[in-house]
Amino acid sequence: QVQLQESGPGLVKPSETLSLTCTVSGYSISSGYYWGWIRQPPGKGLEWIGSLYHSGSTYYNPSLKSRVTISVDTSKNQFSLRLSSVTAADTAVYYCASTKFGYSYAEPFDYWGQGTLVTVSS
Amino acid sequence: DIQMTQSPSSLSASVGDRVTITCQASQDISNYLNWYQQKPGKAPKLLIFDASNLEIGVPSRFSGSGSGTDFTFTISSLQPEDIATYYCQQYANLPTFGQGTRLEIK
Repeated sequence: QVQLQESGPGLVKPSETLSLTCTVSGYSISSGYYWGWIRQPPGKGLEWIGSLYHSGSTYYNPSLKSRVTISVDTSKNQFSLRLSSVTAADTAVYYCASTKFGYSYAEPFDYWGQGTLVTVSS
Repeated sequence: DIQMTQSPSSLSASVGDRVTITCQASQDISNYLNWYQQKPGKAPKLLIFDASNLEIGVPSRFSGSGSGTDFTFTISSLQPEDIATYYCQQYANLPTFGQGTRLEIK
């Protein structure tokens, strides 16, 4: 059973960089599948941020692309999200997730982390 | 981006009722459409993928249909544990989600 767990600061100051890590257990990231980040502002809907393959290939939402970096550390079986120049609009629950089939970054997400709330405030 | 229009935004129904949610894509997405259930404080859960395929372990009262631009999600007999928000998601292109349907018990 694949399990994902997000970790990182719960409070980030405006204009700074949000950094989160997703630790995967029960499966080796280097074995395949695509791994992604999705966020949900309080009381609102879901927004895909971006995804990566274990090889390091990345795919980003164009609306966030200029500020987002997703990277992988296969030795730790982790992948990470960095979002720069944050504002209050980036306050959200951030989820990491994995795709179902492993053929494309744009697939159903079948395993999700529990989510972590990140608040942007001074 | 492909826009997903989900309706209704909220729905109140009684236990045992048949419940239907629709999702319309702004362009043809074939059958690249998923449905998720999200309970308060929890991560979304994949229920249906590729428009009509039930995820393993999901009760058979949940079903999905459609192709192209128009899709339907149905709960054949609403149970108390089905209270949640439901989202459609397309993956023909960059993944996008519908705005969600909040389902309540009447």
